[in-house]
Amino acid sequence: GQQLNQSPQSMFIQEGEDVSMNCTSSSIFNTWLWYKQDPGEGPVLLIALYKAGELTSNGRLTAQFGITRKDSFLNISASIPSDVGIYFCAGEDSNYQLIWGAGTKLIIKP
Amino acid sequence: NAGVTQTPKFQVLKTGQSMTLQCAQDMNHEYMSWYRQDPGMGLRLIHYSVGAGITDQGEVPNGYNVSRSTTEDFPLRLLSAAPSQTSVYFCASSKNPTGTGYNEQYFGPGTRLTVT
Repeated sequence: GQQLNQSPQSMFIQEGEDVSMNCTSSSIFNTWLWYKQDPGEGPVLLIALYKAGELTSNGRLTAQFGITRKDSFLNISASIPSDVGIYFCAGEDSNYQLIWGAGTKLIIKP
Repeated sequence: NAGVTQTPKFQVLKTGQSMTLQCAQDMNHEYMSWYRQDPGMGLRLIHYSVGAGITDQGEVPNGYNVSRSTTEDFPLRLLSAAPSQTSVYFCASSKNPTGTGYNEQYFGPGTRLTVT
């Protein structure tokens, strides 16, 4: 099956630091989506990307759809305590199915 | 709008028992799906539906059945529970089965299932 690699698996950061995570695929995707999951909740959509090269922001979050259509990154600027959670990337394949990354767990050091 | 609702929130089953996980949405979304989430494996698609009366298999359909008699409801049935089905199950919906926005999915809060 298709593989989607998300890294890093987890991040320990200080409040106020910038965060960067990315996803790479062996296949071309038509859409990249970034979700956040809080403990005990379902994932919530943060950013959707529809065109290669597209750069989109949502507050302190910025995501880009890679030119090759095989990768995407998410940046969070000036992290705050409520940013903790698990971030998932998902790519839409040619059959309109979403392929999910395994997630990046963001932990803020006290 | 309540969005996507799921019941129950927690469930413990014995091996061999059957049960139905309920999912409903009040957003008039055409597309609905069921995922399971296991540690370190992301979300895996079990079954999906592009509209009332239409269902199809996802990546991991074995041991599960679905039906879609109305736009609002999409129940997931476990026919004979096995310990390998211990997982967190999420239902999701989106408004448009084709075109832009197709996969902007809204998720329910999940059902945490343990099979002993």
